[in-house]
Amino acid sequence: AQRVTQPEKLLSVFKGAPVELKCNYSYSGSPELFWYVQYSRQRLQLLLRHISRESIKGFTADLNKGETSFHLKKPFAQEEDSAMYYCALRDQAGTALIFGKGTTLSVSS
Amino acid sequence: ETGVTQSPTHLIKTRGQQVTLRCSSQSGHNTVSWYQQALGQGPQFIFQYYREEENGRGNFPPRFSGLQFPNYSSELNVNALELDDSALYLCASSPTSNPNTGELFFGEGSRLTVL
Repeated sequence: AQRVTQPEKLLSVFKGAPVELKCNYSYSGSPELFWYVQYSRQRLQLLLRHISRESIKGFTADLNKGETSFHLKKPFAQEEDSAMYYCALRDQAGTALIFGKGTTLSVSS
Repeated sequence: ETGVTQSPTHLIKTRGQQVTLRCSSQSGHNTVSWYQQALGQGPQFIFQYYREEENGRGNFPPRFSGLQFPNYSSELNVNALELDDSALYLCASSPTSNPNTGELFFGEGSRLTVL
C-alpha cells in the first residue's frame, strides 16, 4: 500500500530552535517524495522535492530508505516558517500525489 | 502570469443535489488535477486530465466526474451529493513542458458544504 504518515499534528518551537517535521512512507520501489507548504491565507505550494536535493528557505529533507522516512529539517526556525506542512509521495502510476495529513508548525518568539 | 483560479469559492448544497466546480489552469499548463481535502486531512487525489482525457483516477465513485476543455480549463461535477462530500476541492495544474515533475500549482479551492 502507498501511504504517507505525518505523526505530529502540531509542532510548536521557539524562534532559533531546530525544527524537524516527521514524515514516514510506505511504497514499493523507489519513491518520489515532496514537501508542500501552506502559509496563512496562501495557497498550497511546493517547498522541495527529494530528487533535487536542494535547500529551500533553509529547509532540507533527506530520503532514508532504510527507515522509510523523509523528515523535513531546519537548524534555526524563524517566525515566518509558521505554516502547515504536507509530505507527499508520487503514486505508482505517476499521476497523483498522496499527501499526509499535515503538520502545523508554530514558531514563536 | 495568471495562477490557477477556481470558482465558486464557497457554496452550499443539499443532499442529493448536483454541483459543478470550475478551474482555470495556469498559463502554459495542459495538465489539471483535482483533489478533495476534508477537514483535518491532506488533499486526496480525485482525478487528472491531460489534453482533455482522464489520465488517472483516485478512489472516488463514478458520481465524481470531470471535463477538460481545449483551453485547458476544467470542471469537476459531483452528482447525488452526500454529507461526506463536504470538503475543500482543490484544482492543481502542471507545466506543459514536464507535467510529471511532481510540482503542482494549486488554486485556492472551492469550499463545498452539503446540508
